[in-house]
Amino acid sequence: DSGVTQTPKHLITATGQRVTLRCSPRSGDLSVYWYQQSLDQGLQFLIQYYNGEERAKGNILERFSAQQFPDLHSELNLSSLELGDSALYFCASSPLDTSNYGYTFGSGTRLTVV
Amino acid sequence: KNQVEQSPQSLIILEGKNCTLQCNYTVSPFSNLRWYKQDTGRGPVSLTIMTFSENTKSNGRYTATLDADTKQSSLHITASQLSDSASYICVVTASASKIIFGSGTRLSIRP
Repeated sequence: DSGVTQTPKHLITATGQRVTLRCSPRSGDLSVYWYQQSLDQGLQFLIQYYNGEERAKGNILERFSAQQFPDLHSELNLSSLELGDSALYFCASSPLDTSNYGYTFGSGTRLTVV
Repeated sequence: KNQVEQSPQSLIILEGKNCTLQCNYTVSPFSNLRWYKQDTGRGPVSLTIMTFSENTKSNGRYTATLDADTKQSSLHITASQLSDSASYICVVTASASKIIFGSGTRLSIRP
């Protein structure tokens, strides 16, 4: 157990629908990062939050949004889902507003869009 | 263009043998370089992290090297075990918004 909790572990939904993925960071970590990993592809950085504020944006589609709540958990919202959105979505957390100190990944949410 | 290229794409070796994985990057400016191990369907697990001034870092049977001048890194695995079968990912950070992942090397250890 890495200390980063992601729910649900698996999600199957239809095209056009909206889903919410949840991430609880490791205790004491203020930063949360979201990544997408499509089948046999590398990890793509989506977005980072630090202590409730958006800190950095990567290759995140406009149909996707995220937020970090006062208790530091984060949610990634995916809307108007397309077949190509099927992927593993990972959350990672780190103690500071920089990735220099390393971050810890959760076990991921596997999203299947049918 | 910021890129991280890993080689080989895949590698099969016999249990007990050593192997070396390569990572070349063009990310600038450079902040740090990490190697991760990712088991199939699981989250990546950090093996090593190196900053500009470090050129070697070990973690058990894993030894990473960094040459910041040539922008190359390698991950050497000694006395491989079946549990080493995984994807190994090189990640280079330039800033909080510039985190570039390599596509990984898929390593298979055969008994």
